[in-house]
Amino acid sequence: DAMVIQNPRYQVTQFGKPVTLSCSQTLNHNVMYWYQQKSSQAPKLLFHYYDKDFNNEADTPDNFQSRRPNTSFCFLDIRSPGLGDTAMYLCATSRAPWLGTEAFFGQGTRLTVV
Amino acid sequence: AQKVTQAQTEISVVEKEDVTLDCVYETRDTTYYLFWYKQPPSGELVFLIRRNSFDEQNEISGRYSWNFQKSTSSFNFTITASQVVDSAVYFCALSEAGSGGSNYKLTFGKGTLLTVNP
Repeated sequence: DAMVIQNPRYQVTQFGKPVTLSCSQTLNHNVMYWYQQKSSQAPKLLFHYYDKDFNNEADTPDNFQSRRPNTSFCFLDIRSPGLGDTAMYLCATSRAPWLGTEAFFGQGTRLTVV
Repeated sequence: AQKVTQAQTEISVVEKEDVTLDCVYETRDTTYYLFWYKQPPSGELVFLIRRNSFDEQNEISGRYSWNFQKSTSSFNFTITASQVVDSAVYFCALSEAGSGGSNYKLTFGKGTLLTVNP
């Protein structure tokens, strides 16, 4: 059974039209991540949560926001998507990354901005 | 700052050949963790193995084996008798057991696209 579920799998949005991607987990992990992966590139961390504590990467554009209303759910909001935001967005969870526990990834949302 | 380098962008082999994927890392921490993930065309990153910096013992799991050498800061991955189903992008990743937010971060290499031809 899938443990990290992302919806939708595919999303097409218009330039400048806000879009929200969702992620849910059944693992009860404290840490949740959002990664952006552009074509043929490595996943790039946008931000992560430890419980409700939000940690933004220094180079994450302000256009990207996130919400975590409870342990199970996390959302990625792109306020005004640009063409350069076309990418795969990966959600992941980890139980205790400071102890080196592995991250569990969802299947990703492929976002296309047109 | 942590960094992971996978120098091989693409590798193509014929089925049943052995193939080694290279990974070199940089970190200032004495305690850190190394990972390999597989990303098939479907997109999901699948965890393969984790090693901590104090455990240099090599590991074998079926056709997969990993060689961790701190002296050369390398964590290489070998697939023996490759199969078409092994075709995927393979990522090496590093996390540090530092303080604050840094110990939550998983830094990936750029990945190696492995194509196994029948």
